[in-house]
Amino acid sequence: GAVVSQHPSWVICKSGTSVKIECRSLDFQATTMFWYRQFPKQSLMLMATSNEGSKATYEQGVEKDKFLINHASLTLSTLTVTSAHPEDSSFYICSARESGSDYNEQFFGPGTRLTVL
Amino acid sequence: GQNIDQPTEMTATEGAIVQINCTYQTSGFNGLFWYQQHAGEAPTFLSYNVLDGLEEKGRFSSFLSRSKGYSYLLLKELQMKDSASYLCAVMDSNYQLIWGAGTKLIIKP
Repeated sequence: GAVVSQHPSWVICKSGTSVKIECRSLDFQATTMFWYRQFPKQSLMLMATSNEGSKATYEQGVEKDKFLINHASLTLSTLTVTSAHPEDSSFYICSARESGSDYNEQFFGPGTRLTVL
Repeated sequence: GQNIDQPTEMTATEGAIVQINCTYQTSGFNGLFWYQQHAGEAPTFLSYNVLDGLEEKGRFSSFLSRSKGYSYLLLKELQMKDSASYLCAVMDSNYQLIWGAGTKLIIKP
């Protein structure tokens, strides 16, 4: 149980285009989902916390107009990188916390590797 | 500020034991997690400690001392597949995970 999927696994796009990444909790409901970015040889950096039915909470320094997050249901959150540029190339990982769980574990998706040319 | 410290890199021999330390200073504490991350992959959950003491799970054990702001991950009978980065993360009072930079563990035959 507690499986989180991400789609796509990897994407290559041209500079200026927008890319949408989906994060799904497959066998549980997730009130809260998290979006992380990880550059090579660095740790995870939290970008935003996404709560179902409400606006996402962005970390300092993360542009909310560039990284659009939608959490329309208890099993799906999407991250859209708008007008992507080469510096947005990174490994994007989502995680989900099960609704009502006393155990605070976050379950991670497999990640999406974005390369912007 | 909030801070998680762990060694950048460690090297150990196959079959041996290695201990990866983590010290933390956070605003509140709702548990400490250890994750394993292989290169190019997402982290996978290893352990969760919220009370002081040792949690054992097969070849892996995790220890926590809240008064000292200290934890360690102990890996026994090391295998080559254990070569990975090990991430320490603390959940603060806002139930947000604060991540360490990770410890790259290199296993040599």
